[in-house]
Amino acid sequence: KAGVTQTPRYLIKTRGQQVTLSCSPISGHRSVSWYQQTPGQGLQFLFEYFSETQRNKGNFPGRFSGRQFSNSRSEMNVSTLELGDSALYLCASGQGVSYNEQFFGPGTRLTVL
Amino acid sequence: DQQVKQNSPSLSVQEGRISILNCDYTNSMFDYFLWYKKYPAEGPTFLISISSIKDKNEDGRFTVFLNKSAKHLSLHIVPSQPGDSAVYFCAASGTSGTYKYIFGTGTRLKVLA
Repeated sequence: KAGVTQTPRYLIKTRGQQVTLSCSPISGHRSVSWYQQTPGQGLQFLFEYFSETQRNKGNFPGRFSGRQFSNSRSEMNVSTLELGDSALYLCASGQGVSYNEQFFGPGTRLTVL
Repeated sequence: DQQVKQNSPSLSVQEGRISILNCDYTNSMFDYFLWYKKYPAEGPTFLISISSIKDKNEDGRFTVFLNKSAKHLSLHIVPSQPGDSAVYFCAASGTSGTYKYIFGTGTRLKVLA
């Protein structure tokens, strides 16, 4: 079974631009969660989608948004990029109907200049 | 407000000895806990989990202990191997089945050969 894939793996943007990151979950998984990892902050929860609906949301500003498609693939968008948005963005998929482990993708490294 | 805390940012252990990684949480509604291991340039990999109805779960060299009254969990690795050198994250979930996972800031384990 193929794992979680994320594209692109690396991205460089400038302040004020916007960016879209993509995540393809493991086949059969309906839940996709997004996390931001920065040094010293661990993994900060952004949001979780389940069957195309945002089911959970973390404490991030509205510049961070996401969506999930009918095939469970998910995208995350960050508008008006700030220097502090530079981070590793991780996507995780799971069955989402009971307490199971999540399976993580390799992440997208975003650098904002 | 950091609901899941890993107060030791790093830990060094001699090969063959026991590694003990600690995690504290503040939200008494958490009822499911997980440990993940992360190597550089890779996404976190699930290691072991424990439900709040248990106080111990074992899987090979890895054992997780849960002390609900102290809101504390620990991961024991015995014996430690150089390949265990990685960043370890604990995560918690619960609160009415929201399937939202809150991660700690991580502990970097270095196993010395």
